[in-house]
Amino acid sequence: DAGVTQSPTHLIKTRGQQVTLRCSPKSGHDTVSWYQQALGQGPQFIFQYYEEEERQRGNFPDRFSGHQFPNYSSELNVNALLLGDSALYLCASRAERAFFYEQYFGPGTRLTVT
Amino acid sequence: AQSVTQPDIHITVSEGASLELRCNYSYGATPYLFWYVQSPGQGLQLLLKYFSGDTLVQGIKGFEAEFKRSQSSFNLRKPSVHWSDAAEYFCAVGIQTGANNLFFGTGTRLTVIP
Repeated sequence: DAGVTQSPTHLIKTRGQQVTLRCSPKSGHDTVSWYQQALGQGPQFIFQYYEEEERQRGNFPDRFSGHQFPNYSSELNVNALLLGDSALYLCASRAERAFFYEQYFGPGTRLTVT
Repeated sequence: AQSVTQPDIHITVSEGASLELRCNYSYGATPYLFWYVQSPGQGLQLLLKYFSGDTLVQGIKGFEAEFKRSQSSFNLRKPSVHWSDAAEYFCAVGIQTGANNLFFGTGTRLTVIP
């Protein structure tokens, strides 16, 4: 049983560009959350998707957007990249009916903005 | 507002020695508390969790944590550290909203010397 998978593993972008990160949840999970982990910091909640809708958002600008597909996989899009967007982006999934602590994290995508 | 403080940025211990990592939280309601571990290139792995009941909780890999409401603390302990425990450790508070997202501390990096 594959856990949470994310792609790509690493990528490098230039300021002003746009990027799309992808996440496949653990089998049986239908809820996906995204977190940003800057160097030397703990993860920060970006938003969560359930039933293909954004359910809740953390303190991130509209440049950060997402999508959830019918198969529960999810994308994180970041527009107009800034140097400060360089970070590890983590995806976490869980089953909606499960107690919320049963969140599983993927290995992350390391984004470098130059 | 909720927050998590991990006062120790970096801790070095000898293999076989005991370990205690500190965590203090601020949250208006009954907290859900977690400890995660992150090894280089890996996602976050849940070590243990506290919701209610017995204030001493046992986790994986021989870790335990004690919830002290009077001190707003949830310190992580291990009686004998192994070299494989070297990693980054994060304390988190669970927010009981629709998204059930997590608020993380800034982490403590553990180095184990032979």
